Amino acid sequence: DIQMTQSPSTLSASIGDKVTITCRASESVSTYLAWYHQKPGKAPKLLIYEVSTLESGAPSRFSGSGYGTQFALTISSLQPDDFGTYYCQQYSTYSPLTFGQGTTVEIK
Amino acid sequence: QVQLQESGPGLVKPSETLSLTCTVSGDPMSRGVYYWSWIRQHPGKGLEWIGYTATNGKTYYNPSLKSRLTVSVDKSKNQFSLNLTSVTAADTAVYYCARGRQSFGPSCKFDTWGQGTLVTVSS
Repeated sequence: DIQMTQSPSTLSASIGDKVTITCRASESVSTYLAWYHQKPGKAPKLLIYEVSTLESGAPSRFSGSGYGTQFALTISSLQPDDFGTYYCQQYSTYSPLTFGQGTTVEIK
Repeated sequence: QVQLQESGPGLVKPSETLSLTCTVSGDPMSRGVYYWSWIRQHPGKGLEWIGYTATNGKTYYNPSLKSRLTVSVDKSKNQFSLNLTSVTAADTAVYYCARGRQSFGPSCKFDTWGQGTLVTVSS
């Protein structure tokens, strides 16, 4: 299995801050990397796919970068609606598809 | 806009079969190339991909669950289903159905999710 490791596990930031979450794959996933946002008690929502393509309806303050084994999700200016947990997912191989363990973003 | 809704028992006894159905509304399942998927989340934990079925019925399963798992599609009802046999407490989780949008081959990212349903395995 391809292991996806996110860091940090938790972060606390203020409204307006620039926030970066990283995701590392145990082997290359090329550009087949997606990011999701999950609020407590809700289903995850797709934010970004193919590393840097913004999903329709996702705010433009979200951006993604990386290739191979190292990836990052950046929020350019943190907003109150951005609290919750963020997950990366690789789909370079479907056997199995795997997610990172999550990064929880708290608003200071 | 497509919507997904899970249904099924919230309580299953150990060693029995967990059965869930996902009803797709807003668009026929047969339109487009999608992978109709199940994903679960253990309490307070991360996401685990269970498996999915293509509209043509071809299935792809997580190897860790494959021996107990069946995912099937009923296009006439616009539904797909999950059956997980011989459940234990370790199968207690929130189960999500989701639509996988193809990237290449059978690999996909999940662009639409149901609200999730908690299934508890307990006697």
